[in-house]
Amino acid sequence: EPEVTQTPSHQVTQMGQEVILRCVPISNHLYFYWYRQILGQKVEFLVSFYNNEISEKSEIFDDQFSVERPDGSNFTLKIRSTKLEDSAMYFCASLWLTDTQYFGPGTRLTVL
Amino acid sequence: DAKTTQPPSMDCAEGRAANLPCNHSTISGNEYVYWYRQIHSQGPQYIIHGLKNNETNEMASLIITEDRKSSTLILPHATLRDTAVYYCIVCGSSNTGKLIFGQGTTLQVKP
Repeated sequence: EPEVTQTPSHQVTQMGQEVILRCVPISNHLYFYWYRQILGQKVEFLVSFYNNEISEKSEIFDDQFSVERPDGSNFTLKIRSTKLEDSAMYFCASLWLTDTQYFGPGTRLTVL
Repeated sequence: DAKTTQPPSMDCAEGRAANLPCNHSTISGNEYVYWYRQIHSQGPQYIIHGLKNNETNEMASLIITEDRKSSTLILPHATLRDTAVYYCIVCGSSNTGKLIFGQGTTLQVKP
């Protein structure tokens, strides 16, 4: 069964450094998402992406964040200058048309 | 998207049916009810969804009241591996928009 994959599973970085989280959505899916979950808190929507552009973003998704689909398979989330409060699990999800969103296993980001 | 209300926690004996309720009294006519679960810190896993008819798949059944203001997710024979946080989410028919997660119900399946 096809699935969403994410790399790395755990990323440790220093405050102020740039990080790139990578996702490979299910092939033939058209909509892509990033969510995050701070330890002990709710899963929060960050951004949705369709047809090579952002379709919606939350207040969390400020100028420090960007997303890209550099080729036909990867979908990336970049945080330009990480803060302590960016420490969280980051989940990628993808969707075909009117199906359901399928989530990846997540990347645990730890900012020191 | 309509807001949902779920009990924070529930227990269930292994092998018994787990019935997880959800209130969504402000749901509108074209909004679906989706259920996801999250085991430990893994990615949310899709379970089932429905509009107004009851639905069943290999994982669970979804019972939606006639007025659509509430629903119940039924795991017919809960196992220890069903211990997870269960989320009831209401969203538009296309489901291309964001999913809004609440706190969900923590289901503890006990031996």
